[in-house]
Amino acid sequence: DAKTTQPPSMDCAEGRAANLPCNHSTISGNEYVYWYRQIHSQGPQYIIHGLKNNETNEMASLIITEDRKSSTLILPHATLRDTAVYYCIAKARGTYKYIFGTGTRLKVLA
Amino acid sequence: DTGVSQDPRHKITKRGQNVTFRCDPISEHNRLYWYRQTLGQGPEFLTYFQNEAQLEKSRLLSDRFSAERPKGSFSTLEIQRTEQGDSAMYLCASSLGANTEAFFGQGTRLTVV
Repeated sequence: DAKTTQPPSMDCAEGRAANLPCNHSTISGNEYVYWYRQIHSQGPQYIIHGLKNNETNEMASLIITEDRKSSTLILPHATLRDTAVYYCIAKARGTYKYIFGTGTRLKVLA
Repeated sequence: DTGVSQDPRHKITKRGQNVTFRCDPISEHNRLYWYRQTLGQGPEFLTYFQNEAQLEKSRLLSDRFSAERPKGSFSTLEIQRTEQGDSAMYLCASSLGANTEAFFGQGTRLTVV
C-alpha cells in the first residue's frame, strides 16, 4: 500500500470549510483513498473513500487530483465536534489491511 | 444495528496476569480485524479473520497473544502474562467485504500496572 503524508496539525474556524490535504505520490491504480477520523478516546470513524472521481456524502467531500498523487478532504462547515485526528489511508482493492499513519490533528476554533 | 461492540471498555491488570477482550461485530459482517493503538500513534494492524478463519497475524503479535472467532461471530483477544508494554487501546473492526469500509468499535483500553 502506498505511503501517505499529512500535515501533523491544522486549525479551522468554526463554520468555515476545513480542507485537509494528503499526499500519496506512489499510489497505484487499484488503491483507493480512505479517510477516517478519531475523536479523543473513541474508535476511528469512517468518513469517505474514493478511487479517482470526486466523492461527496453527508459528512464530507473528497477531491482527488487527476494524477491521483494527492487528495483533499473537505468538511464544508466545520463545527467544534469535528475536532479530531484525521487519517488518510491508501488501500488496494481486495486487500483488508488499513495502514494508519499519525494523521492530521484538526482543531476547530470557536 | 448497534455497530461494533467491545467489552470491557477499560481494563486495569497487574503485570503477569492474563486478560481477555471481546468484540461483537456488526451482524452479517464476515470480516473482523483487531488493531492496537498506543498514545500519539495511529492504529496498528494485529490480525484478521474471514468468518472463523484467522488469515493473517501481524509480527506485532507475540506468542502471548491469541485471537479466536468461533463460529464466525464474536471474537476474543487474549493476552497472557501481560507486560507493561501491552498497555494500549485495543480496537476491533468489521466489514462486509474486502472492498467495503471497515467500522470500528470504541476500543478496550488496557493498562498494565
